[in-house]
Amino acid sequence: TQLLEQSPQFLSIQEGENLTVYCNSSSVFSSLQWYRQEPGEGPVLLVTVVTGGEVKKLKRLTFQFGDARKDSSLHITAAQPGDTGLYLCAGVGNDYKLSFGAGTTVTVRA
Amino acid sequence: EPEVTQTPSHQVTQMGQEVILRCVPISNHLYFYWYRQILGQKVEFLVSFYNNEISEKSEIFDDQFSVERPDGSNFTLKIRSTKLEDSAMYFCASSVGGKASTDTQYFGPGTRLTVL
Repeated sequence: TQLLEQSPQFLSIQEGENLTVYCNSSSVFSSLQWYRQEPGEGPVLLVTVVTGGEVKKLKRLTFQFGDARKDSSLHITAAQPGDTGLYLCAGVGNDYKLSFGAGTTVTVRA
Repeated sequence: EPEVTQTPSHQVTQMGQEVILRCVPISNHLYFYWYRQILGQKVEFLVSFYNNEISEKSEIFDDQFSVERPDGSNFTLKIRSTKLEDSAMYFCASSVGGKASTDTQYFGPGTRLTVL
């Protein structure tokens, strides 16, 4: 199982500020996925990135896959209270299974 | 919108007892998964299932665990003799295809298992 390290573990910001969550590994992944998990619910897929250097945008969320396909970032512009939640990254490695990071808990204060 | 459902939402059991967690995957999906999340820890892969067979399993999925698709709609996870360390949130997921890198897995809301 490939290890994915997410940072920071917790992030609390004011509404309107920007934030970035990082997902790093020493392993190469064939793809990397970002999920959001609400309390009492299962993870919900936000995006999948496959190509090294790929950038995907989902409204105010920007996802980037590192050139070497070992790391990824999630950037939220002008965060809103509705962005509050647990963000998980998960990579698919050479074992073809999803390996999850520990998650970043994001709190956006109004 | 179709969704994965799981029952029960919370299961409390005594150590040593057998439990069966139930899942109804999305109807046209062919690949089914179980994951677990111990409180405060990562979501961990347990097993994947396709065509009535286990296709992949992790080292966590030992002889105490088994999965079954008893009919055309349910997918179950059985723990034969529960241990305290089995206490966790168990998530079922399903996907149309089995390529984890490109086939989206849809997760259910989870079953919280508490072993006393």
